[in-house]
Amino acid sequence: GAVVSQHPSRVICKSGTSVKIECRSLDFQATTMFWYRQFPKQSLMLMATSNEGSKATYEQGVEKDKFLINHASLTLSTLTVTSAHPEDSSFYICSARPSGVFKETQYFGPGTRLLVL
Amino acid sequence: GESVGLHLPTLSVQEGDNSIINCAYSNSASDYFIWYKQESGKGPQFIIDIRSNMDKRQGQRVTVLLNKTVKHLSLQIAATQPGDSAVYFCAENKFGERGSNYKLTFGKGTLLTVNP
Repeated sequence: GAVVSQHPSRVICKSGTSVKIECRSLDFQATTMFWYRQFPKQSLMLMATSNEGSKATYEQGVEKDKFLINHASLTLSTLTVTSAHPEDSSFYICSARPSGVFKETQYFGPGTRLLVL
Repeated sequence: GESVGLHLPTLSVQEGDNSIINCAYSNSASDYFIWYKQESGKGPQFIIDIRSNMDKRQGQRVTVLLNKTVKHLSLQIAATQPGDSAVYFCAENKFGERGSNYKLTFGKGTLLTVNP
């Protein structure tokens, strides 16, 4: 149980285009999901906290108009990288916290590799 | 400031040896710590966790030690196997500033290489 999926697993796009990444909790409901970014040989950095039915909370330095987050249901959160540029190339990882259980638990997705040309 | 860091960026061991990966944290108010394993191109995988009211916790081949006095966390892997080769992160769970969201802060990571 407690499986989180991401789609796509990898994407290549041209500079200036937008890319949408999906994060799904497959066998549980998640009121809260998190989006992380990881550059090569670096740690995971939290970008934003996504709450179902409300606006996401962004970490300092993360542009909310560039990284659009939508958490429209208890099993799906999406991250849209708008007007992507090469510096946005990174590994994007989501996690999901099950609703109604020990609130420190997070289950991670497999990540999405984004390459912007 | 609040941070979670690691002493050793890389660790190379022989198969069958025990491995010890260390982590220092600076926020004495942190009360929950987690170790994750991340293989290349994959998301983090939960290994073991520990709360601040404990100083040791054991799992299958893994042990986490917490020393609150010096704010130090370690992960011990017994009889290390080639499949244990990965990057290991410690993470600190702290209460979010804006409300009830707990947020994970990850350390820098240690690359563990197991030589056959």
